[in-house]
Amino acid sequence: QLHLQESGPGLVKPSETLSLSCTVSGGSINNYDYFWAWIRQSPGKGLEWIATIDYRGTTYYNPSLTGRVTIFVDTSSNHFSLQMSSVTAADTAVYHCARQGAAFLPAGMTRKAVPGELDTWGQGISVTVSS
Amino acid sequence: DIQMTQSPSTLSASVGDRVTITCRASQSISNWLAWYQQKPGKAPKLLIYEASVLQSGVPSTFSGSRSGTEFTLTISSLQPDDFAIYYCQQYSNSLSTFGQGTRLEIK
Repeated sequence: QLHLQESGPGLVKPSETLSLSCTVSGGSINNYDYFWAWIRQSPGKGLEWIATIDYRGTTYYNPSLTGRVTIFVDTSSNHFSLQMSSVTAADTAVYHCARQGAAFLPAGMTRKAVPGELDTWGQGISVTVSS
Repeated sequence: DIQMTQSPSTLSASVGDRVTITCRASQSISNWLAWYQQKPGKAPKLLIYEASVLQSGVPSTFSGSRSGTEFTLTISSLQPDDFAIYYCQQYSNSLSTFGQGTRLEIK
């Protein structure tokens, strides 16, 4: 059974870079049927998608966070990671990693696989940005 | 950007009731929509994807439908375990956006 586990610091100072890692067990990241994502949830608020990557390293970013966020994958150790620079108090949230299924969208005469539904989630890691 | 408007924000209902939650997309997203259930302190759980496909293991009391850019999650007979927050997610353009969430409360 697939299991995702987030790890990283629980406290980060303003203006610093947040680094989080997601370890995948019970399945391989090296799989063209799936993508790998980060989502966050600020206290008392809804869900915000941050970024997604596939096993080859193709990335997708939330336009509101582009420039501050980098996602990368390490297939040899079956984990993927997120870096968020110049954090502020607004980045305080629970951060979840998740597996995303592939949605096959029409692309001319063929179909293109893009990130779809989030079918397996990690339990989440609480990150506070404070001095 | 595609915006998802979810309603109502809060819904009060009783065990056994039939309830519906709606998400409206700001533009066409075909059937590229998923629904999630989240309980306090837990990660969201996938219920439905591609607007109407039930995720494995999800009770058949849950169903999803689409009419144009309006999507509906229906719970046909509320069970005590169903009181939670529900979110929609669109994934039509390689990027994802979520609705604001609907809190389903016990009346």
